[in-house]
Amino acid sequence: AQKITQTQPGMFVQEKEAVTLDCTYDTSDPSYGLFWYKQPSSGEMIFLIYQGSYDQQNATEGRYSLNFQKARKSANLVISASQLGDSAMYFCARTDYGGSQGNLIFGKGTKLSVKP
Amino acid sequence: DVKVTQSSRYLVKRTGEKVFLECVQDMDHENMFWYRQDPGLGLRLIYFSYDVKMKEKGDIPEGYSVSREKKERFSLILESASTNQTSMYLCASSGGQPSYNEQFFGPGTRLTVL
Repeated sequence: AQKITQTQPGMFVQEKEAVTLDCTYDTSDPSYGLFWYKQPSSGEMIFLIYQGSYDQQNATEGRYSLNFQKARKSANLVISASQLGDSAMYFCARTDYGGSQGNLIFGKGTKLSVKP
Repeated sequence: DVKVTQSSRYLVKRTGEKVFLECVQDMDHENMFWYRQDPGLGLRLIYFSYDVKMKEKGDIPEGYSVSREKKERFSLILESASTNQTSMYLCASSGGQPSYNEQFFGPGTRLTVL
């Protein structure tokens, strides 16, 4: 099955430092989208950032940026200047536009802990 | 402000009971989804719907059914709950602008089957 791989089950980062969360994906569809979601301990899923496969530039949203390397099928999330409130689970997900109606395939997640 | 609501945050049921999980979105989205989330397994798609009365199986549909009689409401049904269906259930919807495929999630229902 075509899948999303997040190789880091857990990570620590010092407050105010930058951190990179890894994500690689597998798809045969030339047109797809990549998403990152944050899930705090309260349980809600919060959309962070989106990258389309044909986008020329890497996506950025405030302190979040996506390091998109298409040839390597890699879409790492970079969080700059980490804050204590960034402690959460982070999920990478992919949708194939040539396929069904936009359902996302999720990775297993990375638990990020920010140390004061 | 976009909103997806789920009928319960916590639910405890007994083995064999019929369980209904309700999801409502107020964004006029076409697509709605049900996932279950288990530690170490991430989110797995159970069923999704791209229109009223339409449904498609996801990766793990066994033991579940769904109903979408109105555009804003998508129900997940456990016909005869079993202990291995103890999990967090998340509903999502998509189909708006500017990003058609961005999914908005509800707060989740933590179901325990005894």
